[in-house]
Amino acid sequence: DAKTTQPTSMDCAEGRAANLPCNHSTISGNEYVYWYRQIHSQGPQYIIHGLKNNETNEMASLIITEDRKSSTLILPHATLRDTAVYYCIVRATISSGSARQLTFGSGTQLTVLP
Amino acid sequence: KAGVTQTPRYLIKTRGQQVTLSCSPISGHRSVSWYQQTPGQGLQFLFEYFSETQRNKGNFPGRFSGRQFSNSRSEMNVSTLELGDSALYLCASSLVSVSYNEQFFGPGTRLTVL
Repeated sequence: DAKTTQPTSMDCAEGRAANLPCNHSTISGNEYVYWYRQIHSQGPQYIIHGLKNNETNEMASLIITEDRKSSTLILPHATLRDTAVYYCIVRATISSGSARQLTFGSGTQLTVLP
Repeated sequence: KAGVTQTPRYLIKTRGQQVTLSCSPISGHRSVSWYQQTPGQGLQFLFEYFSETQRNKGNFPGRFSGRQFSNSRSEMNVSTLELGDSALYLCASSLVSVSYNEQFFGPGTRLTVL
Protein backbone atom coordinates (compact mmCIF):
# COMPACT_ATOMS: atom_id res chain seq x y z
CA ASP A 1 0.00 0.00 0.00
CA ALA A 2 1.18 3.52 -0.77
CA LYS A 3 2.56 5.60 2.08
CA THR A 4 0.76 8.79 3.13
CA THR A 5 2.04 12.00 4.69
CA GLN A 6 -0.17 14.24 6.82
CA PRO A 7 0.52 17.25 9.03
CA THR A 8 0.75 16.35 12.70
CA SER A 9 -1.82 18.88 13.84
CA MET A 10 -4.17 21.61 12.65
CA ASP A 11 -6.55 24.08 14.25
CA CYS A 12 -9.82 25.32 12.80
CA ALA A 13 -12.35 27.85 14.05
CA GLU A 14 -15.80 26.52 14.77
CA GLY A 15 -18.14 27.09 11.84
CA ARG A 16 -15.33 27.45 9.34
CA ALA A 17 -14.25 24.87 6.79
CA ALA A 18 -11.52 22.49 7.86
CA ASN A 19 -9.19 21.45 5.04
CA LEU A 20 -7.01 18.46 5.87
CA PRO A 21 -4.28 17.65 3.33
CA CYS A 22 -2.71 14.30 2.55
CA ASN A 23 0.21 13.48 0.28
CA HIS A 24 0.34 10.06 -1.39
CA SER A 25 2.84 10.56 -4.20
CA THR A 26 3.46 6.82 -4.72
CA ILE A 27 -0.19 5.91 -5.15
CA SER A 28 -0.93 3.27 -7.78
CA GLY A 29 -3.71 3.30 -10.31
CA ASN A 30 -5.87 0.78 -8.46
CA GLU A 31 -5.51 2.37 -5.03
CA TYR A 32 -8.31 4.25 -3.33
CA VAL A 33 -7.92 7.09 -0.84
CA TYR A 34 -9.84 6.52 2.40
CA TRP A 35 -10.37 8.85 5.30
CA TYR A 36 -11.18 7.76 8.83
CA ARG A 37 -11.29 9.74 12.03
CA GLN A 38 -10.94 8.79 15.65
CA ILE A 39 -12.48 10.82 18.39
CA HIS A 40 -10.60 10.43 21.65
CA SER A 41 -10.83 6.91 23.10
CA GLN A 42 -13.39 5.75 20.54
CA GLY A 43 -13.00 3.41 17.58
CA PRO A 44 -12.12 4.93 14.20
CA GLN A 45 -15.02 6.05 12.05
CA TYR A 46 -15.15 5.82 8.27
CA ILE A 47 -15.67 9.20 6.61
CA ILE A 48 -15.28 8.94 2.86
CA HIS A 49 -13.26 7.35 0.08
CA GLY A 50 -12.46 8.04 -3.56
CA LEU A 51 -10.45 6.85 -6.53
CA LYS A 52 -9.94 9.86 -8.79
CA ASN A 53 -13.13 11.87 -8.87
CA ASN A 54 -14.10 14.28 -6.12
CA GLU A 55 -16.57 12.78 -3.69
CA THR A 56 -19.07 14.27 -1.27
CA ASN A 57 -21.28 12.76 1.39
CA GLU A 58 -23.15 14.02 4.41
CA MET A 59 -19.99 14.24 6.47
CA ALA A 60 -17.33 15.65 4.16
CA SER A 61 -15.95 16.24 0.70
CA LEU A 62 -12.85 14.62 -0.75
CA ILE A 63 -10.84 16.47 -3.37
CA ILE A 64 -8.22 14.39 -5.21
CA THR A 65 -5.73 16.14 -7.48
CA GLU A 66 -5.67 15.20 -11.13
CA ASP A 67 -2.33 13.37 -10.79
CA ARG A 68 -3.73 11.64 -7.65
CA LYS A 69 -0.58 12.41 -5.68
CA SER A 70 -2.44 14.34 -3.01
CA SER A 71 -5.91 14.87 -1.64
CA THR A 72 -7.80 17.14 0.73
CA LEU A 73 -10.58 16.24 3.12
CA ILE A 74 -12.97 19.12 3.65
CA LEU A 75 -15.31 19.45 6.60
CA PRO A 76 -17.47 22.34 5.38
CA HIS A 77 -18.66 23.69 8.74
CA ALA A 78 -16.50 22.32 11.52
CA THR A 79 -18.01 21.87 14.96
CA LEU A 80 -16.40 21.12 18.31
CA ARG A 81 -17.46 17.49 17.85
CA ASP A 82 -15.21 17.25 14.80
CA THR A 83 -12.14 17.47 17.04
CA ALA A 84 -10.40 14.17 16.35
CA VAL A 85 -7.42 12.49 14.73
CA TYR A 86 -7.98 12.18 10.98
CA TYR A 87 -6.30 9.36 9.09
CA CYS A 88 -5.67 9.29 5.37
CA ILE A 89 -5.18 5.73 4.11
CA VAL A 90 -4.38 4.47 0.65
CA ARG A 91 -5.55 0.97 -0.13
CA ALA A 92 -5.94 -1.13 -3.24
CA THR A 93 -9.27 -2.40 -4.43
CA ILE A 94 -10.40 -5.29 -2.31
CA SER A 95 -11.04 -8.53 -4.11
CA SER A 96 -12.77 -11.47 -2.56
CA GLY A 97 -9.49 -13.15 -1.76
CA SER A 98 -7.45 -10.25 -0.45
CA ALA A 99 -6.92 -9.10 3.08
CA ARG A 100 -8.88 -6.16 4.37
CA GLN A 101 -6.45 -4.72 6.85
CA LEU A 102 -5.99 -0.98 7.11
CA THR A 103 -2.57 0.53 7.69
CA PHE A 104 -2.93 3.62 9.86
CA GLY A 105 -0.26 6.30 9.97
CA SER A 106 0.01 8.97 12.64
CA GLY A 107 -2.85 11.06 11.25
CA THR A 108 -3.64 14.72 11.80
CA GLN A 109 -4.96 15.95 15.13
CA LEU A 110 -7.66 18.45 14.21
CA THR A 111 -8.69 20.77 17.00
CA VAL A 112 -11.81 22.85 16.41
CA LEU A 113 -11.65 26.01 18.48
CA PRO A 114 -14.72 27.82 19.82
CA LYS B 1 -28.83 -1.75 12.62
CA ALA B 2 -26.71 -2.35 15.71
CA GLY B 3 -23.04 -1.47 15.49
CA VAL B 4 -20.00 -3.53 16.36
CA THR B 5 -20.00 -4.48 20.02
CA GLN B 6 -17.02 -5.41 22.12
CA THR B 7 -16.92 -6.90 25.58
CA PRO B 8 -15.68 -6.17 28.10
CA ARG B 9 -15.07 -2.44 27.68
CA TYR B 10 -12.45 -2.29 30.40
CA LEU B 11 -10.22 -4.96 31.84
CA ILE B 12 -7.42 -5.02 34.38
CA LYS B 13 -5.06 -7.99 34.52
CA THR B 14 -1.68 -8.76 36.01
CA ARG B 15 1.46 -9.89 34.25
CA GLY B 16 1.45 -13.56 33.32
CA GLN B 17 -2.30 -13.89 33.15
CA GLN B 18 -4.24 -14.50 29.99
CA VAL B 19 -7.23 -12.61 28.64
CA THR B 20 -10.03 -13.18 26.12
CA LEU B 21 -11.78 -10.33 24.37
CA SER B 22 -15.01 -10.66 22.42
CA CYS B 23 -16.34 -8.92 19.32
CA SER B 24 -19.78 -9.15 17.71
CA PRO B 25 -19.80 -7.74 14.17
CA ILE B 26 -22.60 -5.89 12.47
CA SER B 27 -25.28 -8.30 11.30
CA GLY B 28 -24.37 -9.64 7.87
CA HIS B 29 -20.70 -8.71 8.14
CA ARG B 30 -18.52 -11.77 7.79
CA SER B 31 -15.06 -10.26 8.08
CA VAL B 32 -13.69 -9.32 11.47
CA SER B 33 -10.34 -7.62 12.01
CA TRP B 34 -8.53 -6.84 15.24
CA TYR B 35 -6.22 -3.90 15.92
CA GLN B 36 -4.09 -2.84 18.84
CA GLN B 37 -3.68 0.84 19.68
CA THR B 38 -0.97 2.17 21.97
CA PRO B 39 0.37 5.71 22.39
CA GLY B 40 3.78 4.67 21.16
CA GLN B 41 2.91 2.44 18.18
CA GLY B 42 -0.45 3.84 17.13
CA LEU B 43 -3.02 1.60 15.46
CA GLN B 44 -1.56 -1.73 14.42
CA PHE B 45 -3.25 -4.62 12.64
CA LEU B 46 -3.37 -7.89 14.57
CA PHE B 47 -5.34 -10.32 12.39
CA GLU B 48 -8.41 -10.78 10.25
CA TYR B 49 -10.94 -13.59 10.23
CA PHE B 50 -13.42 -14.57 7.58
CA SER B 51 -15.49 -17.74 7.44
CA GLU B 52 -13.89 -18.94 10.67
CA THR B 53 -10.43 -18.80 9.06
CA GLN B 54 -7.57 -16.45 9.79
CA ARG B 55 -6.85 -14.71 6.49
CA ASN B 56 -4.04 -12.41 7.48
CA LYS B 57 -1.88 -11.73 10.51
CA GLY B 58 0.11 -8.73 11.60
CA ASN B 59 3.56 -8.71 13.16
CA PHE B 60 2.67 -9.83 16.67
CA PRO B 61 4.03 -12.72 18.74
CA GLY B 62 2.23 -16.03 19.01
CA ARG B 63 0.85 -15.03 22.41
CA PHE B 64 -1.81 -13.18 20.42
CA SER B 65 -4.37 -15.47 18.88
CA GLY B 66 -7.95 -15.37 17.77
CA ARG B 67 -10.82 -17.30 16.36
CA GLN B 68 -14.13 -16.76 14.65
CA PHE B 69 -17.33 -18.65 15.17
CA SER B 70 -19.93 -19.71 12.63
CA ASN B 71 -22.09 -16.69 13.52
CA SER B 72 -19.11 -14.41 12.66
CA ARG B 73 -18.52 -13.44 16.28
CA SER B 74 -14.84 -13.34 17.08
CA GLU B 75 -12.61 -13.63 20.11
CA MET B 76 -8.99 -12.75 20.60
CA ASN B 77 -6.79 -14.17 23.30
CA VAL B 78 -3.56 -12.90 24.75
CA SER B 79 -1.60 -15.32 26.89
CA THR B 80 1.19 -14.60 29.36
CA LEU B 81 0.37 -10.92 29.53
CA GLU B 82 3.17 -8.37 29.56
CA LEU B 83 3.08 -4.75 30.68
CA GLY B 84 3.45 -3.70 27.04
CA ASP B 85 0.18 -5.39 26.16
CA SER B 86 -1.68 -2.56 27.86
CA ALA B 87 -3.62 -1.01 25.00
CA LEU B 88 -6.95 -0.30 23.41
CA TYR B 89 -7.98 -3.35 21.41
CA LEU B 90 -10.30 -2.55 18.54
CA CYS B 91 -12.42 -4.84 16.48
CA ALA B 92 -13.72 -3.91 13.01
CA SER B 93 -16.21 -5.67 10.80
CA SER B 94 -16.86 -5.36 7.09
CA LEU B 95 -18.80 -6.87 4.26
CA VAL B 96 -16.78 -9.09 1.99
CA SER B 97 -18.83 -8.71 -1.14
CA VAL B 98 -18.02 -5.07 -1.82
CA SER B 99 -14.82 -3.92 -3.46
CA TYR B 100 -13.95 -1.02 -1.22
CA ASN B 101 -12.62 -1.22 2.29
CA GLU B 102 -15.13 0.43 4.59
CA GLN B 103 -14.62 -1.03 8.02
CA PHE B 104 -16.84 -0.41 10.99
CA PHE B 105 -15.07 -0.23 14.32
CA GLY B 106 -16.33 -1.06 17.76
CA PRO B 107 -15.68 1.08 20.83
CA GLY B 108 -12.73 -1.06 21.87
CA THR B 109 -11.64 -2.88 25.00
CA ARG B 110 -9.23 -0.99 27.22
CA LEU B 111 -6.79 -3.53 28.69
CA THR B 112 -4.52 -2.54 31.53
CA VAL B 113 -1.78 -4.95 32.59
CA LEU B 114 -0.32 -4.35 36.05
